[in-house]
Amino acid sequence: QVQLVQSGAEVKKPGASVKVSCKASRYTFTGYFLHWVRQAPGQGLEWMGWINPNSGGTNYRQEFQGRVTMTRDTSISTAYLELSGLRSDDTAMYYCARYLPSPYNSFDPWGQGTLVTVSS
Amino acid sequence: QSVLTQPPSVSGAPGQRVTISCTGSSSNIGAGYDVNWYQQLPGTAPKVLIYGNSNRPSGVPDRFSGSKSGTSASLAITGLQTEDEADYYCQSYDSSLSGYVFGTGTKVTVL
Repeated sequence: QVQLVQSGAEVKKPGASVKVSCKASRYTFTGYFLHWVRQAPGQGLEWMGWINPNSGGTNYRQEFQGRVTMTRDTSISTAYLELSGLRSDDTAMYYCARYLPSPYNSFDPWGQGTLVTVSS
Repeated sequence: QSVLTQPPSVSGAPGQRVTISCTGSSSNIGAGYDVNWYQQLPGTAPKVLIYGNSNRPSGVPDRFSGSKSGTSASLAITGLQTEDEADYYCQSYDSSLSGYVFGTGTKVTVL
């Protein structure tokens, strides 16, 4: 079964940075784009951007430009999301999700999520 | 902030049919981009329910169906079951934002 396993919960102070990992298994890691989506408590889903694990190329949602960095380590089939300048409204569950190309054009599967809490 | 609008909640008795609308615009659904639907059970990650407007992945019951017309899409659940209580999100691509967008989300309650 294709699987994405994320790192554990994090508690950070305002202004700090956080790095979340997403380890892929049972599929060719470099064959599919990985996206990051976050969900604030009790709120909806917000797309953050993607990374092409093959080339390392990225595309970030404009709202996160300058604060977000997506990287990968192909040797261990792992993608990373780093968010800097954390604010209280960055408190959210962060998900990675594999993007299936045409004809699916959808996110499948998703990681289990990593809760990031920003609090002083 | 979401560019795809859904009703906050819908409800129905077991066995009934409910529908969830997803209203977009000419830069996303109306531009011809596919609409996908995700089910998020309490405390879990979203799971794809419908892809490509109306296709079900293997393992998804045929009680779930999707459609798209113009700048809107719909998800229908027939024969509502208690295990269908969850949050449902539509998702598409937006050319103006050059990125992926999700709906505001709909909570389905089985009475």
